[in-house]
Amino acid sequence: EPEVTQTPSHQVTQMGQEVILRCVPISNHLYFYWYRQILGQKVEFLVSFYNNEISEKSEIFDDQFSVERPDGSNFTLKIRSTKLEDSAMYFCASSVEAGEREGYNEQFFGPGTRLTVL
Amino acid sequence: AQSVTQPDIHITVSEGASLELRCNYSYGATPYLFWYVQSPGQGLQLPLKYFSGDTLVQGIKGFEAEFKRSQSSFNLRKPSVHWSDAAEYFCAVGGVGAQKLVFGQGTRLTINP
Repeated sequence: EPEVTQTPSHQVTQMGQEVILRCVPISNHLYFYWYRQILGQKVEFLVSFYNNEISEKSEIFDDQFSVERPDGSNFTLKIRSTKLEDSAMYFCASSVEAGEREGYNEQFFGPGTRLTVL
Repeated sequence: AQSVTQPDIHITVSEGASLELRCNYSYGATPYLFWYVQSPGQGLQLPLKYFSGDTLVQGIKGFEAEFKRSQSSFNLRKPSVHWSDAAEYFCAVGGVGAQKLVFGQGTRLTINP
């Protein structure tokens, strides 16, 4: 069964460093998302991406964050200068098969990348 | 504003007992409702979803959920829990057009042998 994959599973970085989190969405999906979950808190939406551009972003997704689909398979989240408060589990998701009608679309999630900022 | 409330942070039940996890939502349009489950080291798996039609939806592993529009609720139920059901359960609401999901705080389910 197709699944969303994410690498690495755990990333430790120093405050101020840049990190890139990688995701491979399900191959025939058209929409891609990043969510995060700070320890003990709810899962929060960061950004959605469609047709090679951001379709929606939250207040959390400020200038320190960027997303990219560098090739036909990967979807990345970059944090330019990490802060302590960026420590969280980051989930990638994808939805909407090519040819499928929008409106009845579940999102398929990856296993997450745990980011620890020291 | 869109929001999801899961009033129970942690629930403990005995194996074989029945289960109900509560979820209330606030959404300005037709809601699409989901229950996701997160086991340690796993991603968010989807045992249940509601888009329209029957208000009682059946999911995998014996889970069911009832959508009550008048109460803005989408409670998850299972008649008899198994030890493997221990996990974190998240209720989420979304809208038409592949929109973002809004999640509740989550309910951690512990199963006593």
